[in-house]
Amino acid sequence: KQEVTQIPAALSVPEGENLVLNCSFTDSAIYNLQWFRQDPGKGLTSLLLIQSSQREQTSGRLNASLDKSSGRSTLYIAASQPGDSATYLCAVPSQGGSEKLVFGKGTKLTVNP
Amino acid sequence: EAGVVQSPRYKIIEKKQPVAFWCNPISGHNTLYWYRQNLGQGPELLIRYENEEAVDDSQLPKDRFSAERLKGVDSTLKIQPAELGDSAVYLCASSFRTEKEYFGPGTRLLVL
Repeated sequence: KQEVTQIPAALSVPEGENLVLNCSFTDSAIYNLQWFRQDPGKGLTSLLLIQSSQREQTSGRLNASLDKSSGRSTLYIAASQPGDSATYLCAVPSQGGSEKLVFGKGTKLTVNP
Repeated sequence: EAGVVQSPRYKIIEKKQPVAFWCNPISGHNTLYWYRQNLGQGPELLIRYENEEAVDDSQLPKDRFSAERLKGVDSTLKIQPAELGDSAVYLCASSFRTEKEYFGPGTRLLVL
């Protein structure tokens, strides 16, 4: 059974700092991994999707890496801003080619002005 | 382009009462998902539709939960009767086949 763990559960940083969010998963036979953002009272917004053949994906100040063999992914946020404050969740398919996503509990990020 | 629409946004009911949630997916998206998200947790899939067919409902508590997707577009998720433990946010998402999922804002349910 696929399990996803995110560390830390919460993170508070001053504006401008670079930061890393971590995600680990137990079944490395995945074909992609996604990072989502969730603002309070809102749904999820997909930030980055990394295919199993890729090692990283970049979008603006966000960079996500994937190491399938070790079952880990990181989300790097450069020059953090107060608007980055949200909960960040990672998700992987439950098994193999399944379309069912398994989510971590998320990391709640607060960027202080 | 309109996103995934859900209604109501909030619902407060007493236990044992019925409740229904509605979802309108993005136009052209044939796959529709219902998730439940408890406080401090990630979303958990309840049911996935491909067009009108429910292809994965293994996590749906069938004794009290039901869902339908008539004509392969809008979907309704129903709980009858609701229990205290059903308090959560119910998220609907849609995608074109197995491409990226787009989520609605969710319905926040409180059962008293």
